[in-house]
Order: sequence, then C-alpha cells, then structure tokens
Amino acid sequence: DAKTTQPNSMESNEEEPVHLPCNHSTISGTDYIHWYRQLPSQGPEYVIHGLTSNVNNRMASLAIAEDRKSSTLILHRATLRDAAVYYCILSGGGGSTLGRLYFGRGTQLTVWP
Amino acid sequence: GAVVSQHPSRVICKSGTSVKIECRSLDFQATTMFWYRQFPKQSLMLMATSNEGSKATYEQGVEKDKFLINHASLTLSTLTVTSAHPEDSSFYICSARDQIARPEQYFGPGTRLTVT
Repeated sequence: DAKTTQPNSMESNEEEPVHLPCNHSTISGTDYIHWYRQLPSQGPEYVIHGLTSNVNNRMASLAIAEDRKSSTLILHRATLRDAAVYYCILSGGGGSTLGRLYFGRGTQLTVWP
Repeated sequence: GAVVSQHPSRVICKSGTSVKIECRSLDFQATTMFWYRQFPKQSLMLMATSNEGSKATYEQGVEKDKFLINHASLTLSTLTVTSAHPEDSSFYICSARDQIARPEQYFGPGTRLTVT
C-alpha cells in the first residue's frame, strides 16, 4: 500500500484558511486520495476524496498536484470544530487491497480562538 | 445521509468472556464493511474487510478465530471478540461503503471495550 507523509501538527487561528499538505510520491495511477478527520473518542469523518482533478465540497477543497505526488486539503475558514487529527490516505489501486484504508499518524490541527 | 451506527458504545466484560459489537448502515446498503481497532494515542489499524454473504478477509496478524466477523445482510455486520483478555481492550470502529463505485467510507462512532 502506498504511503503518505504529513506533518505531525499544524496550528491555525479561527476564521483563517488552513492548508494541510500531504506527500504521496509513490502513488499509483488508480489510487484515490482520501482525507478523513477524527475527533477524540469518535470514529473518523469523511472529508473529501479525489483522483486527478481538484475537488470541492461543503467541508473543504482538495488540490492535487499535476504529477499527483502531493495534495493539499484546504479548509477555507477554520472554526474551533475543525480541530482534529486529519488523515491523508491513498486507496484503490485494484487487487486485493481495493478500497481498504491504511491510516498513518495524520496531522493534529489545533485551531486557536 | 450515510450514517453508520454501532452498538454498544461502550462495554466492560470479564476476562475469558465473549463480546459482540454490531455495526449498522442506517440509510444505505453497505456492499463492504470494515473493522478497525485503535489503541490510545495511536492511529486506526484495519483488522478485516467484510462483504455481505462471504467470509471476511483479515489483515496480517489479526487472529480470525479470536475476532469473528459476520456480515449477514447489507446493513449489518458484527464483530465478536472471543475469550477476551485485557490486551483486547481497545476502541473498535467499523466503517461502510455504500457502492462499489464510490470509494469513500463512512465510519461508526466506535465501541470502547474494556476487559477486566
């Protein structure tokens, strides 16, 4: 399974944009880029996913580099409720691991009021 | 939409007993369900993949005889921890996919298992 690299932690002020980076230099052509987030003692929450093109939804935007070796999750205006661990995960690729998510350590986002 | 529930939310059991955890997709049919375990201060670890009507596929190092998974319908999967021991105490989380063509997973709220 392809690996991702994320900073251990990031900080932001409330109502400011947040750009969470993720490197995935060994991504294969059929791997989706997923982002999930998790609050303490809760199950993860789906944020967004993409394959090649940039994606937007009500929660966030996903900017994917042209070579797909990196991506950035963008929270347009951080709120206190966005403080969580954010996981960037590759999935797909076919074969026996199709659809499975292998979580790394993620990025702990702290949002200051 | 895409809500997944788990029951119970927390359970305490004695060493040597078995515990069953239910995972339900409430507003969609789940083609595939997944079970994860998370120890304190650690990330989620995938335990097994479950497809309705077929045997679960376990990740390397996960004992299939200890963690029994049943996926009897498109909305229900169960995880039974057999002969539980204190080291099985953990946060167990399930997730579900609603369509093969859609890769995102929707997670349940988790079940906190404590074995005394």
